[in-house]
Amino acid sequence: AAGVIQSPRHLIKEKRETATLKCYPIPRHDTVYWYQQGPGQDPQFLISFYEKMQSDKGSIPDRFSAQQFSDYHSELNMSSLELGDSALYFCASSQTGVGASEQYFGPGTRLTVT
Amino acid sequence: AQSVTQLGSHVSVSEGALVLLRCNYSSSVPPYLFWYVQYPNQGLQLLLKYTSAATLVKGINGFEAEFKKSETSFHLTKPSAHMSDAAEYFCAVSPNNAGNMLTFGGGTRLMVKP
Repeated sequence: AAGVIQSPRHLIKEKRETATLKCYPIPRHDTVYWYQQGPGQDPQFLISFYEKMQSDKGSIPDRFSAQQFSDYHSELNMSSLELGDSALYFCASSQTGVGASEQYFGPGTRLTVT
Repeated sequence: AQSVTQLGSHVSVSEGALVLLRCNYSSSVPPYLFWYVQYPNQGLQLLLKYTSAATLVKGINGFEAEFKKSETSFHLTKPSAHMSDAAEYFCAVSPNNAGNMLTFGGGTRLMVKP
């Protein structure tokens, strides 16, 4: 079965640079979520999109922005990177209106800021 | 606001022993509860979910969890631990199942001794 695809899997950036993370949801899933997991921490919700509109917003810094495109893939744009942004970034997708719409997670993008 | 608390950041059991990972929730409305497992350097995989149907939920890999409203708990159990069960386990809550964000507990690292 198709899973959530995230690219790149690993990314190394320097402070003050920008980064773009991409997420391709499971086919027919209409909702995408972004989570940030710092070292030894639980995942923290950043932002979500339903049918290309922002649906929920969590602890996402103003330096970050995201969007969902017409093909339902999503991109997380991160600017003015800081050392503290080093983390594992997960994308998850779900299909609303079909039973209990659990979220399916991708393998994550490991971002290292040096 | 909803939250979950996982008691014990590390749990160690012998192979073949009972696994019990504790999760207590706080919610002003009937919650939807989930258990996810994360293997090293991988994404989160859904083990099971509670969606207000049966209070005893069976999941994958022989795991199950029981929703107890009187105790506000959703503990995860497995009768007999395997070495392959060693991983990080996260309890999570969402206000409903219609595409809302997940709030995770702090995670419990399960270690299985031979």
